[in-house]
Amino acid sequence: GAVVSQHPSRVICKSGTSVKIECRSLDFQATTMFWYRQFPKQSLMLMATSNEGSKATYEQGVEKDKFLINHASLTLSTLTVTSAHPEDSSFYICSARKRGGSISYNEQFFGPGTRLTVL
Amino acid sequence: GENVEQHPSTLSVQEGDSAVIKCTYSDSASNYFPWYKQELGKRPQLIIDIRSNVGEKKDQRIAVTLNKTAKHFSLHITETQPEDSAVYFCAASIVKAAGNKLTFGGGTRVLVKP
Repeated sequence: GAVVSQHPSRVICKSGTSVKIECRSLDFQATTMFWYRQFPKQSLMLMATSNEGSKATYEQGVEKDKFLINHASLTLSTLTVTSAHPEDSSFYICSARKRGGSISYNEQFFGPGTRLTVL
Repeated sequence: GENVEQHPSTLSVQEGDSAVIKCTYSDSASNYFPWYKQELGKRPQLIIDIRSNVGEKKDQRIAVTLNKTAKHFSLHITETQPEDSAVYFCAASIVKAAGNKLTFGGGTRVLVKP
């Protein structure tokens, strides 16, 4: 299988606090993990690409100092929303690509998502 | 960068009828096109994908077609069932050794009426 978990599934925090979201590949090693943001009834917007052992690559318009990404191992990536504000409230989803997959095999396996509400 | 357009945004069909969702992409270098189904509050699930060296792929009631020249691809669901009701996303990417990123379409909310 290829299972990706996220923790927490839901988090409510006060404005100004920081929130850490974990993304884990449970039964495979992931060289690359991706972080998406999804607003209600909208599509998935890629925020950043996280590679194990190197700095994340952020998409245009995404503040790297606000959304800190750490990919410390082949099974774990974390997204920290720093100084969260109500406009950061959203559904955050990670995905992972298997390490060692052939060039032609490109499937991403998604986590269940984390719903962040900032009061 | 890549841009993916998806139509329609909503689609209501009668149970047993077919549903067709169309996507266009802008980057001719894109060579991998997955389709995802997402139920409310859940993770996207891959339902079918196609690579640019193939024009059509079928898996039971689901099929995808790709026209590289026109840069568009479509999802076809036949004999729709109520459990097919969900949001469907198309995506496009360029496969390379170091991994790649998916660019998603805007999504189509499908409602299958019993």
